[in-house]
Amino acid sequence: DSGVTQTPKHLITATGQRVTLRCSPRSGDLSVYWYQQSLDQGLQFLIQYYNGEERAKGNILERFSAQQFPDLHSELNLSSLELGDSALYFCASSVGIGGPTDTQYFGPGTRLTVL
Amino acid sequence: LAKTTQPISMDSYEGQEVNITCSHNNIATNDYITWYQQFPSQGPRFIIQGYKTKVTNEVASLFIPADRKSSTLSLPRVSLSDTAVYYCLNTGGFKTIFGAGTRLFVKA
Repeated sequence: DSGVTQTPKHLITATGQRVTLRCSPRSGDLSVYWYQQSLDQGLQFLIQYYNGEERAKGNILERFSAQQFPDLHSELNLSSLELGDSALYFCASSVGIGGPTDTQYFGPGTRLTVL
Repeated sequence: LAKTTQPISMDSYEGQEVNITCSHNNIATNDYITWYQQFPSQGPRFIIQGYKTKVTNEVASLFIPADRKSSTLSLPRVSLSDTAVYYCLNTGGFKTIFGAGTRLFVKA
Protein backbone atom coordinates (compact mmCIF):
# COMPACT_ATOMS: atom_id res chain seq x y z
CA ASP A 1 0.00 0.00 0.00
CA SER A 2 1.59 3.25 -1.21
CA GLY A 3 -0.59 5.50 0.96
CA VAL A 4 -2.12 7.18 -2.10
CA THR A 5 -5.86 6.62 -2.43
CA GLN A 6 -7.99 6.95 -5.53
CA THR A 7 -11.73 6.81 -5.94
CA PRO A 8 -13.63 5.30 -7.54
CA LYS A 9 -11.87 2.05 -8.45
CA HIS A 10 -14.05 1.51 -11.48
CA LEU A 11 -16.21 3.86 -13.50
CA ILE A 12 -18.44 2.97 -16.43
CA THR A 13 -20.08 5.76 -18.35
CA ALA A 14 -21.31 6.73 -21.79
CA THR A 15 -19.80 8.85 -24.54
CA GLY A 16 -20.38 12.54 -24.09
CA GLN A 17 -20.59 12.33 -20.32
CA ARG A 18 -18.41 13.99 -17.68
CA VAL A 19 -16.69 12.26 -14.76
CA THR A 20 -14.52 13.26 -11.83
CA LEU A 21 -11.68 11.16 -10.48
CA ARG A 22 -10.39 11.83 -7.00
CA CYS A 23 -6.96 11.37 -5.46
CA SER A 24 -5.69 11.76 -1.91
CA PRO A 25 -1.89 11.96 -1.66
CA ARG A 26 0.27 10.40 1.02
CA SER A 27 0.34 12.33 4.24
CA GLY A 28 2.92 15.11 3.93
CA ASP A 29 3.24 14.96 0.15
CA LEU A 30 2.75 18.28 -1.62
CA SER A 31 2.84 17.18 -5.26
CA VAL A 32 0.17 15.27 -7.10
CA TYR A 33 0.61 13.83 -10.59
CA TRP A 34 -1.96 12.39 -12.97
CA TYR A 35 -1.26 9.72 -15.57
CA GLN A 36 -3.31 7.91 -18.19
CA GLN A 37 -2.47 4.34 -19.18
CA SER A 38 -4.13 2.73 -22.15
CA LEU A 39 -3.10 -0.40 -24.02
CA ASP A 40 -1.85 1.40 -27.08
CA GLN A 41 -0.34 4.50 -25.47
CA GLY A 42 1.47 3.24 -22.40
CA LEU A 43 1.79 5.42 -19.31
CA GLN A 44 1.27 9.04 -20.27
CA PHE A 45 1.95 11.96 -17.94
CA LEU A 46 -0.98 14.37 -17.86
CA ILE A 47 -0.36 17.06 -15.27
CA GLN A 48 1.33 17.85 -11.96
CA TYR A 49 0.27 20.10 -9.11
CA TYR A 50 2.47 21.29 -6.30
CA ASN A 51 0.88 22.78 -3.19
CA GLY A 52 -2.20 23.85 -5.11
CA GLU A 53 -0.45 25.30 -8.16
CA GLU A 54 -0.04 23.74 -11.58
CA ARG A 55 3.61 22.78 -11.95
CA ALA A 56 3.93 20.83 -15.19
CA LYS A 57 1.69 19.86 -18.05
CA GLY A 58 1.98 16.83 -20.28
CA ASN A 59 -0.30 15.35 -22.90
CA ILE A 60 -3.50 16.50 -21.31
CA LEU A 61 -6.44 17.10 -23.64
CA GLU A 62 -8.43 20.34 -23.47
CA ARG A 63 -11.47 18.27 -22.46
CA PHE A 64 -9.60 17.27 -19.30
CA SER A 65 -8.88 19.52 -16.36
CA ALA A 66 -7.50 19.07 -12.89
CA GLN A 67 -7.06 20.94 -9.67
CA GLN A 68 -5.48 20.51 -6.28
CA PHE A 69 -7.40 21.72 -3.27
CA PRO A 70 -6.13 23.37 -0.06
CA ASP A 71 -6.22 20.02 1.74
CA LEU A 72 -3.96 18.76 -1.09
CA HIS A 73 -6.35 16.24 -2.54
CA SER A 74 -6.76 16.47 -6.29
CA GLU A 75 -9.49 15.89 -8.81
CA LEU A 76 -9.23 15.10 -12.51
CA ASN A 77 -12.27 16.09 -14.54
CA LEU A 78 -12.88 14.41 -17.87
CA SER A 79 -15.63 15.80 -20.07
CA SER A 80 -17.22 15.06 -23.45
CA LEU A 81 -15.94 11.55 -23.04
CA GLU A 82 -15.00 9.49 -26.07
CA LEU A 83 -14.45 5.76 -26.46
CA GLY A 84 -10.72 6.40 -26.66
CA ASP A 85 -10.68 7.85 -23.16
CA SER A 86 -11.20 4.38 -21.74
CA ALA A 87 -8.06 3.72 -19.73
CA LEU A 88 -6.52 3.33 -16.30
CA TYR A 89 -5.96 6.68 -14.63
CA PHE A 90 -3.26 6.81 -11.99
CA CYS A 91 -2.52 9.44 -9.45
CA ALA A 92 0.89 9.69 -7.81
CA SER A 93 2.25 11.90 -5.08
CA SER A 94 5.66 13.03 -3.91
CA VAL A 95 7.06 15.06 -1.06
CA GLY A 96 8.71 17.78 -3.09
CA ILE A 97 8.25 19.78 -6.22
CA GLY A 98 9.39 17.02 -8.55
CA GLY A 99 13.15 17.23 -8.47
CA PRO A 100 15.54 14.52 -9.63
CA THR A 101 15.31 12.46 -6.43
CA ASP A 102 11.66 13.12 -5.66
CA THR A 103 10.17 9.62 -5.64
CA GLN A 104 6.61 9.29 -6.89
CA TYR A 105 4.22 6.95 -5.07
CA PHE A 106 1.36 5.70 -7.20
CA GLY A 107 -2.20 4.97 -6.22
CA PRO A 108 -4.15 1.87 -7.26
CA GLY A 109 -5.76 3.64 -10.20
CA THR A 110 -9.26 4.25 -11.51
CA ARG A 111 -10.38 2.13 -14.43
CA LEU A 112 -12.59 4.19 -16.71
CA THR A 113 -14.72 2.48 -19.31
CA VAL A 114 -16.57 4.63 -21.83
CA LEU A 115 -19.35 2.82 -23.70
CA LEU B 1 9.05 10.95 -27.03
CA ALA B 2 10.70 8.67 -24.46
CA LYS B 3 14.18 9.69 -23.45
CA THR B 4 15.18 6.11 -22.68
CA THR B 5 15.45 2.91 -24.69
CA GLN B 6 15.14 -0.58 -23.25
CA PRO B 7 14.32 -4.08 -24.53
CA ILE B 8 10.64 -4.72 -25.10
CA SER B 9 10.65 -8.04 -23.28
CA MET B 10 12.84 -10.59 -21.50
CA ASP B 11 12.32 -14.13 -20.27
CA SER B 12 14.02 -15.73 -17.31
CA TYR B 13 13.72 -18.69 -14.96
CA GLU B 14 13.18 -18.71 -11.24
CA GLY B 15 16.39 -18.37 -9.26
CA GLN B 16 18.35 -16.68 -12.04
CA GLU B 17 19.85 -13.20 -11.93
CA VAL B 18 18.24 -10.84 -14.42
CA ASN B 19 19.94 -7.78 -15.86
CA ILE B 20 17.89 -5.20 -17.74
CA THR B 21 19.84 -2.55 -19.57
CA CYS B 22 18.56 0.88 -20.49
CA SER B 23 20.00 3.53 -22.80
CA HIS B 24 19.64 7.07 -21.49
CA ASN B 25 19.62 9.30 -24.52
CA ASN B 26 20.47 12.91 -23.84
CA ILE B 27 20.42 12.53 -20.08
CA ALA B 28 20.84 15.93 -18.46
CA THR B 29 23.61 16.67 -15.98
CA ASN B 30 21.17 17.06 -13.10
CA ASP B 31 19.00 14.04 -13.98
CA TYR B 32 18.99 10.94 -11.86
CA ILE B 33 18.26 7.46 -13.20
CA THR B 34 15.19 5.86 -11.65
CA TRP B 35 13.60 2.45 -12.13
CA TYR B 36 9.99 1.52 -11.48
CA GLN B 37 8.18 -1.82 -11.49
CA GLN B 38 4.57 -2.26 -12.55
CA PHE B 39 2.32 -5.29 -12.10
CA PRO B 40 -0.82 -5.65 -14.26
CA SER B 41 -3.59 -3.22 -13.29
CA GLN B 42 -1.49 -1.68 -10.51
CA GLY B 43 0.36 1.59 -10.29
CA PRO B 44 4.13 1.64 -10.84
CA ARG B 45 6.28 1.11 -7.77
CA PHE B 46 9.68 2.70 -7.16
CA ILE B 47 12.54 0.18 -7.15
CA ILE B 48 15.83 2.03 -7.11
CA GLN B 49 17.53 5.26 -8.09
CA GLY B 50 21.07 6.43 -8.68
CA TYR B 51 23.28 9.07 -10.24
CA LYS B 52 26.61 7.30 -10.80
CA THR B 53 28.40 4.01 -10.06
CA LYS B 54 26.50 1.37 -8.13
CA VAL B 55 23.51 1.50 -5.83
CA THR B 56 22.09 -1.49 -3.97
CA ASN B 57 18.98 -1.90 -1.88
CA GLU B 58 17.03 -4.84 -0.53
CA VAL B 59 15.44 -5.71 -3.89
CA ALA B 60 17.87 -4.71 -6.64
CA SER B 61 21.18 -3.24 -7.72
CA LEU B 62 21.69 -0.45 -10.19
CA PHE B 63 24.87 -0.03 -12.19
CA ILE B 64 25.59 3.29 -13.90
CA PRO B 65 28.83 3.79 -15.88
CA ALA B 66 30.80 7.00 -15.70
CA ASP B 67 29.36 8.43 -18.91
CA ARG B 68 25.79 7.80 -17.63
CA LYS B 69 24.58 6.89 -21.12
CA SER B 70 23.25 3.58 -19.87
CA SER B 71 22.14 1.83 -16.71
CA THR B 72 21.62 -1.80 -15.73
CA LEU B 73 19.03 -2.97 -13.26
CA SER B 74 20.05 -6.24 -11.66
CA LEU B 75 17.49 -8.45 -9.96
CA PRO B 76 19.13 -11.29 -8.01
CA ARG B 77 17.47 -14.71 -7.93
CA VAL B 78 14.13 -13.76 -9.49
CA SER B 79 10.91 -15.49 -8.55
CA LEU B 80 7.58 -15.85 -10.36
CA SER B 81 6.33 -12.76 -8.52
CA ASP B 82 8.97 -10.62 -10.27
CA THR B 83 7.03 -10.98 -13.52
CA ALA B 84 6.19 -7.36 -14.31
CA VAL B 85 7.03 -4.40 -16.52
CA TYR B 86 10.17 -2.50 -15.58
CA TYR B 87 10.64 1.15 -16.56
CA CYS B 88 13.82 3.20 -16.57
CA LEU B 89 13.53 6.97 -16.46
CA ASN B 90 15.66 10.08 -16.48
CA THR B 91 14.21 11.98 -13.53
CA GLY B 92 14.71 15.68 -13.01
CA GLY B 93 12.83 17.40 -15.76
CA PHE B 94 9.46 19.05 -15.49
CA LYS B 95 7.63 16.13 -17.05
CA THR B 96 7.96 12.50 -16.05
CA ILE B 97 8.30 10.45 -19.20
CA PHE B 98 7.75 6.71 -19.03
CA GLY B 99 8.82 4.71 -22.03
CA ALA B 100 7.34 1.40 -23.10
CA GLY B 101 9.21 -0.51 -20.41
CA THR B 102 10.63 -4.02 -20.42
CA ARG B 103 8.17 -6.84 -19.87
CA LEU B 104 9.96 -9.47 -17.75
CA PHE B 105 8.43 -12.93 -17.68
CA VAL B 106 9.78 -15.33 -15.09
CA LYS B 107 9.13 -19.01 -15.72
CA ALA B 108 9.14 -21.87 -13.28
